[in-house]
Amino acid sequence: SQTIHQWPATLVQPVGSPLSLECTVEGTSNPNLYWYRQAAGRGLQLLFYSVGIGQISSEVPQNLSASRPQDRQFILSSKKLLLSDSGFYLCAWRLLVGNEQFFGPGTRLTVL
Amino acid sequence: QQPVQSPQAVILREGEDAVINCSSSKALYSVHWYRQKHGEAPVFLMILLKGGEQKGHEKISASFNEKKQQSSLYLTASQLSYSGTYFCGTESESGGGADGLTFGKGTHLIIQP
Repeated sequence: SQTIHQWPATLVQPVGSPLSLECTVEGTSNPNLYWYRQAAGRGLQLLFYSVGIGQISSEVPQNLSASRPQDRQFILSSKKLLLSDSGFYLCAWRLLVGNEQFFGPGTRLTVL
Repeated sequence: QQPVQSPQAVILREGEDAVINCSSSKALYSVHWYRQKHGEAPVFLMILLKGGEQKGHEKISASFNEKKQQSSLYLTASQLSYSGTYFCGTESESGGGADGLTFGKGTHLIIQP
């Protein structure tokens, strides 16, 4: 069966510091991968998606970037964090159009 | 554009029924429903596809009206475990499938004993 991991689970970072969040999927090949952000008490906003290694599409202009160095690995990064980057970051995967999308456990980021 | 969910919040007694609606201004290819407990990631409940196919939880039912671009989630004989925030995520026909989902703001469901 397929599983999705994210780490770290929680993170507290000062403004201006770098960020690296990692997501890996097990038990499947060539998944579509997604990064979403959920601000406190808000809905889910799509940040990036990837259909393959090295292929990244951004949905909103922002202070963040994403990379996919391996088939089942998706990384979210920032060079300098802003206060507004705080939130719950969720990685998700699915295989194809018409399939279910599953979320990882998430990383809760607080920028102080 | 973000789908609109209604109601924003519902309070029920255990055993009562609830309907949560999701409406979009775009022609939809699919609608996905999730439940999120406080502090946790959203959990997949159901996907409804244009053309009538559905996949999901055995105890959850939903409908998808393609012409009206609307979906409804039906929770019958609610249990305490149904409490949480319900999100619909939509995928438009022009999205190509790899764009990810656009989510509504959520419906807060509270089940009281």
